[in-house]
Parts: sequence; structure tokens; C-alpha cells
Amino acid sequence: AQKVTQAQTEISVVEKEDVTLDCVYETRDTTYYLFWYKQPPSGELVFLIRRNSFDEQNEISGRYSWNFQKSTSSFNFTITASQVVDSAVYFCALSEAHQGGKLIFGQGTELSVKP
Amino acid sequence: SAVISQKPSRDICQRGTSLTIQCQVDSQVTMMFWYRQQPGQSLTLIATANQGSEATYESGFVIDKFPISRPNLTFSTLTVSNMSPEDSSIYLCSVGVSGISTDTQYFGPGTRLTVL
Repeated sequence: AQKVTQAQTEISVVEKEDVTLDCVYETRDTTYYLFWYKQPPSGELVFLIRRNSFDEQNEISGRYSWNFQKSTSSFNFTITASQVVDSAVYFCALSEAHQGGKLIFGQGTELSVKP
Repeated sequence: SAVISQKPSRDICQRGTSLTIQCQVDSQVTMMFWYRQQPGQSLTLIATANQGSEATYESGFVIDKFPISRPNLTFSTLTVSNMSPEDSSIYLCSVGVSGISTDTQYFGPGTRLTVL
């Protein structure tokens, strides 16, 4: 069965610190897709990144970087030099190729960046 | 991506009543989904809204409680019927823009529902 685990419920850092949000997934499929979404206090869900199972290249986008490791079934998200505007709940999600688009979400990690 | 709007943005309803939530997209999309986010919880898929046919519901969700319409490729509604306080949640629609089931999903702003 498919499952996404975000073991960190809450993280609090001081501005300019680096922070890593962990995501571990379970799937029996060989073709699957991983996502990160950000949910700021306003409530909307903002797409950050998508990773396909056959592409293990890490990605960097500004202060954001993602480390995808199939060997450990992990898709971790690092924010470098965090800012107050990064405060939000971050969700990791999994979609399997045969599931018709269904997203399985982790429980989310609430990140608080203090000035 | 696509521009997605939802109405209403929030509502407070009485137990036993029903509320219809609208989701409008600025372009034609094949894939449209409805999710529920209970307070302090993660998102759970309610159903896939299929254009021209009945919605496909996930385990634990039934059509009588959450009837869905999808009259065209830019619009869908979700009704929460015979509401109870346990239905208090954020309801979000999402769309996949490329037409394949494995497409990235973009979410609407959500509807915050409180049932008294």
C-alpha cells in the first residue's frame, strides 16, 4: 500500500538558519511521482516541485533544494537561509502511475521561522 | 498552470443543511479532483470529478453525502449534504492541466466550512 510519512510535525528555526524537511514514502509501483506543496496561513496549496521515479537528480531552485533517494525511499526538502515568509505547513505527496491521479499526502510539517 | 477559483471562500452552516461549493477553472482541464482537509490534518481525496459521467469516489466517501457535478471541462460542484460538525473542514478542488492522470495537480484556494 502507498504511504507518505513526514515524521516532523513542527519545526521552529531562527531566520537565516538552514532547515531540512523529511519525507519518506512507501509504494510497490516502479513508476510514481513525488511532490512538495506549501500551505501558508492563508490556506491555499502552492505547488513547489514534482519528481518522477525514474529521475533521481537532485534539484535546486533558489533557496530551495530537494534530495531524492530511491534507495532510502526519501524525498527531503531543504530551505537554505530561511526567511519569515517560509513559515507554512509543507506537504509531501505521492502519486502512483495506475491510481488515476490520486495524491497521497503526508501529515505535513509546520515550519515556523522566527525573526 | 491554471487559475482556479472556488466559491464560497468560507461559510458557517447549521447542522442538517447542505452546501454546494463551486470550482471554476480558466481553461479546459480533463482531470479535476475534490479533497478534504479536516482541522489540523492532511488532505484526503474525496473523489475524481469526471466530465459527462458519475464521479469516482474514494473509500469512505459516498455520493449521497458528497454529490458532485461536472457539466463541462471548466466547472465542477461539490455538495456537502446533511451536514454535521464533523464536516467542518477545508474543501479544495484541484486540476491537472495536461490531461493525463499523472499530471501535476494545482489547487484552488479552498472553501473553509464550519458546521454548528
